[in-house]
Amino acid sequence: AQKITQTQPGMFVQEKEAVTLDCTYDTSDPSYGLFWYKQPSSGEMIFLIYQGSYDQQNATEGRYSLNFQKARKSANLVISASQLGDSAMYFCAMREDYTSGTYKYIFGTGTRLKVLA
Amino acid sequence: DAGVIQSPRHEVTEMGQEVTLRCKPISGHNSLFWYRQTMMRGLELLIYFNNNVPIDDSGMPEDRFSAKMPNASFSTLKIQPSEPRDSAVYFCACAQGGTKNIQYFGAGTRLSVL
Repeated sequence: AQKITQTQPGMFVQEKEAVTLDCTYDTSDPSYGLFWYKQPSSGEMIFLIYQGSYDQQNATEGRYSLNFQKARKSANLVISASQLGDSAMYFCAMREDYTSGTYKYIFGTGTRLKVLA
Repeated sequence: DAGVIQSPRHEVTEMGQEVTLRCKPISGHNSLFWYRQTMMRGLELLIYFNNNVPIDDSGMPEDRFSAKMPNASFSTLKIQPSEPRDSAVYFCACAQGGTKNIQYFGAGTRLSVL
């Protein structure tokens, strides 16, 4: 079973509109972290936002917010007021924490977002 | 801070040659990760170090791949001998530990094996 599932291979959004990128995860560990990264066409992986499994409130970073629904195991990324520069591949990732003190990061397959002028 | 520094940014080599990719993590970040990204397989974790010690190398494809971290500020990923199927973008990432333990990535090395 996939640990991180991003069901939208590609998305379009009109400039200045909001868009939601879906991510569901699967873990039985109580302690974990959820991340979103942006990968523009230039190739670098840019950290956007983090949500901890024990965080009570949804994370926000500027125009990015993470809609964290723990019971549903979903961690959707919401981008408000889309800009042309938001066109990129977006990856959802999860960090699983093990009792040994080690951890593992697992990435989804990504969603390619295209912002239309 | 300059972020994670990877070199070279691009590498073109012939099959059978040795390839060495280099990474300088962010100072103070005690975990270091090597990933490989391809269209077919996405982003794959190859190996990760904590405090310079390899913790999980289960993602290393085969014996042709090896990674070292001789000190906290330098790591290498070596492929010997290289094969065309090794062509990919190789990322180095680091994390500081703590509650969030966010990974920060280098710009990647695009490897082409002819």
